[in-house]
This record gives sequence, structure tokens and C-alpha cells, in this order.
Amino acid sequence: DAGVTQSPTHLIKTRGQQVTLRCSPKSGHDTVSWYQQALGQGPQFIFQYYEEEERQRGNFPDRFSGHQFPNYSSELNVNALLLGDSALYLCASSLEPSGGSEQYFGPGTRLTVT
Amino acid sequence: AQTVTQSQPEMSVQEAETVTLSCTYDTSESDYYLFWYKQPPSRQMILVIRQEAYKQQNATENRFSVNFQKAAKSFSLKISDSQLGDAAMYFCASDSGAGSYQLTFGKGTKLSVIP
Repeated sequence: DAGVTQSPTHLIKTRGQQVTLRCSPKSGHDTVSWYQQALGQGPQFIFQYYEEEERQRGNFPDRFSGHQFPNYSSELNVNALLLGDSALYLCASSLEPSGGSEQYFGPGTRLTVT
Repeated sequence: AQTVTQSQPEMSVQEAETVTLSCTYDTSESDYYLFWYKQPPSRQMILVIRQEAYKQQNATENRFSVNFQKAAKSFSLKISDSQLGDAAMYFCASDSGAGSYQLTFGKGTKLSVIP
């Protein structure tokens, strides 16, 4: 049973550029959430996708956008990159409905903005 | 807004001993879930244990148990018979209740296990 996968593993971008991160949920899961984890901090919720729509959003600017495909995979796009966007980006999937909101996390994408 | 506070940035425990990690939270919801996640150096976050707020009985999962004090908004994790593989970052998290899937995490506690 494949777990949550993310690509790429690492990414280096220049300030002002745009980046796309990808996530495939755990088999059978239809809900995908994205989190940003800065160094030494806990993950912060960016947004969640269900039925190809953004269902919830955290306190992140519009530079952060996403998409969910019919096969439930998801992309996170960040435009006009800032140095402060350097972080580990985690994708988590869950089953809707799922009591207790149990989320399965991927290994993350390490984004470095120079 | 929900907040989750972990006041111990680092903890250490002797192998085979017991350690307790602390967590407090603040929410206006009456029905919610609390979680402890483990993040080993390999980075993949793993669910350790979860607690439903309306259940008074403390959750247990093998060597892991919680002490849930709803009135005090406290949710500590006890690890018994600590093993080297328990060394990791531990994050306390709360959902937003009412069917929300958004998790709010604390800053984490780094647990070291001494052989």
C-alpha cells in the first residue's frame, strides 16, 4: 500500500521565481492538505483540497495556490518567491469523512530560496 | 485562533525509562481532537496517538499514553520503556473541531534517548 509521496525531494529557487510542488495521496484517500514547516518550527496549515476544490485555507497570502486533480493528487504553487518561503513543505492526506482527522504525511519537499 | 504550546524544547530520557512530554492548548470548540505526532530525522511525520475531547478515558497505544485534562486544556504524552527508536521531534496538535481537518501544531519537543 503506497503511502503519501511528494516530489521533488529538494528544490533550490531564486527569489522572485515560481515553484510547483507535487503530492500523491495515500491509496484510498481523497483529501489533501499542505503544510509549511520552517526550520525549528511546527508545521503551519496552508490549505486543504477536497473534490478538486480548496476547502479550507490558513493564514497564507495569495501567492500560495493549489490544485487537486481528479485522481486526488495535488500541486502547491508559490509565486514571487521570497527568502522567507524557504521551508519544508509537507503534504498530508486523509479520508473524507474521517473521524479524528487522522492525516498521513509525506516525506516533504525541502525548498531553498536564494 | 487556536494555539498549541509545548514548553519543553528538548528532553532526554534513559533507555527503558519513562518520560512525559507536556502540551497545553487553547480552543473555543467543545468537540475536537488532539494528537501527538512523531517526526524522526528522516522527516516523515507519524501519528503516535490521538484523543477525542468528549472521551474522558485517556488514550493508550502500546508504550504511549496520554494524560488529558480537558478543564486545564492539558494533553501530555507519556512514553514508557523508552527505546532508541523513540528519539525524534514530537509535535502536539489540535484540530479545529466541527469537522475541520486543519491541524494546529506546537513548536515541538526534541526527545533524545540515552543508551
